[in-house]
Amino acid sequence: QKEVEQDPGPLSVPEGAIVSLNCTYSNSAFQYFMWYRQYSRKGPELLMYTYSSGNKEDGRFTAQVDKSSKYISLFIRDSQPSDSATYLCAMSSYSGGYQKVTFGTGTKLQVIP
Amino acid sequence: DAGVTQSPTHLIKTRGQQVTLRCSPKSGHDTVSWYQQALGQGPQFIFQYYEEEERQRGNFPDRFSGHQFPNYSSELNVNALLLGDSALYLCASSFEGTTNEKLFFGSGTQLSVL
Repeated sequence: QKEVEQDPGPLSVPEGAIVSLNCTYSNSAFQYFMWYRQYSRKGPELLMYTYSSGNKEDGRFTAQVDKSSKYISLFIRDSQPSDSATYLCAMSSYSGGYQKVTFGTGTKLQVIP
Repeated sequence: DAGVTQSPTHLIKTRGQQVTLRCSPKSGHDTVSWYQQALGQGPQFIFQYYEEEERQRGNFPDRFSGHQFPNYSSELNVNALLLGDSALYLCASSFEGTTNEKLFFGSGTQLSVL
């Protein structure tokens, strides 16, 4: 079983829709939870990071963490064609005294005008 | 403020050859991590360098080695290339002094092994 599970999609939605992206995890040691956006042929770009359970909002993006269920989500409101990208969840824990980051496989999102 | 820069952007090699990839971290960052991202997969951790030493390593063979220089830039070397080494190689930099070492990525080097 992978430490981090993420549905690869692809997910196709019309412009203006609310998008929900999700990841589950099995390692209780994960402390920080992040979402990265990756455009084609580019490196991942940090979108959101959270530490505790609950919601964190930044513009059209809301990150949600439920540590009891080992489940995290990213919501995108009023989705735009420019949001079309692959979204990677990432989680970090301390291993051997250093922080280790584990990524999901990524969900490919397409927003259709 | 320059972000993380990687060179070259693309590279084609044949099986058995050796390759060196280069990375300059974001200004103010002192830690460099390397990741391998196969097509349709998430980045897989290769290793991390801090103070010119490898301090963490993922599940990659010794064919993968690296180096960090006094100016914090880094190299990734892969020997005896295999077809399966074809992937996007990502460099990420961070600052050791933060509680959560946020990773900032470069655009990567696309390596094709024929």
